[in-house]
Amino acid sequence: EDQVTQSPEALRLQEGESSSLNCSYTVSGLRGLFWYRQDPGKGPEFLFTLYSAGEEKEKERLKATLTKKESFLHITAPKPEDSATYLCAVRALNDYKLSFGAGTTVTVRA
Amino acid sequence: AAGVIQSPRHLIKEKRETATLKCYPIPRHDTVYWYQQGPGQDPQFLISFYEKMQSDKGSIPDRFSAQQFSDYHSELNMSSLELGDSALYFCASSLRPTGLGDSPLHFGNGTRLTVT
Repeated sequence: EDQVTQSPEALRLQEGESSSLNCSYTVSGLRGLFWYRQDPGKGPEFLFTLYSAGEEKEKERLKATLTKKESFLHITAPKPEDSATYLCAVRALNDYKLSFGAGTTVTVRA
Repeated sequence: AAGVIQSPRHLIKEKRETATLKCYPIPRHDTVYWYQQGPGQDPQFLISFYEKMQSDKGSIPDRFSAQQFSDYHSELNMSSLELGDSALYFCASSLRPTGLGDSPLHFGNGTRLTVT
């Protein structure tokens, strides 16, 4: 069964203080690893898809990287509007649904 | 751009009642997924449909059923509601991925179900 573990559970940052979130995964053949952002009471919002080890993608202050066992979401010089829960999910080769981790809740203080 | 539309946004039911949640996917998306998210939990996959046929089933209770209609909208029917069914229910849609093609799920803003 696919497993996704995210750490830390919560992260409190000062504005401008860069940090990284971790997503470790076990999947029987990876079709894709997905990062989502979720604000309270809202649906997850798609950020990135990564397919193979060594791949990197960037969007504003966010950068996602992928190895064979884990992915990192780097937040560079965060702003208060980056406060959200960041969810990692995997899709297996023989599957179409996404299996999610429990998320990391990021709070950025001004 | 059009997004996934869910209705209602909020629903309050009593134990043992029934509820119907509706989902309108992004136009031309051929796959619909239903997820349940409890407070502080990750989204749990319930069921999915591809071209109006059930394609995968997750941890969906027997009390729940779902279908996708000819216009691609989907409904999740929940009967004999229990207190533990209180959660956010999300619908998502996508194009069915082929090979390693990028086909992320796009989520609606969910229906918050409260069972009292």
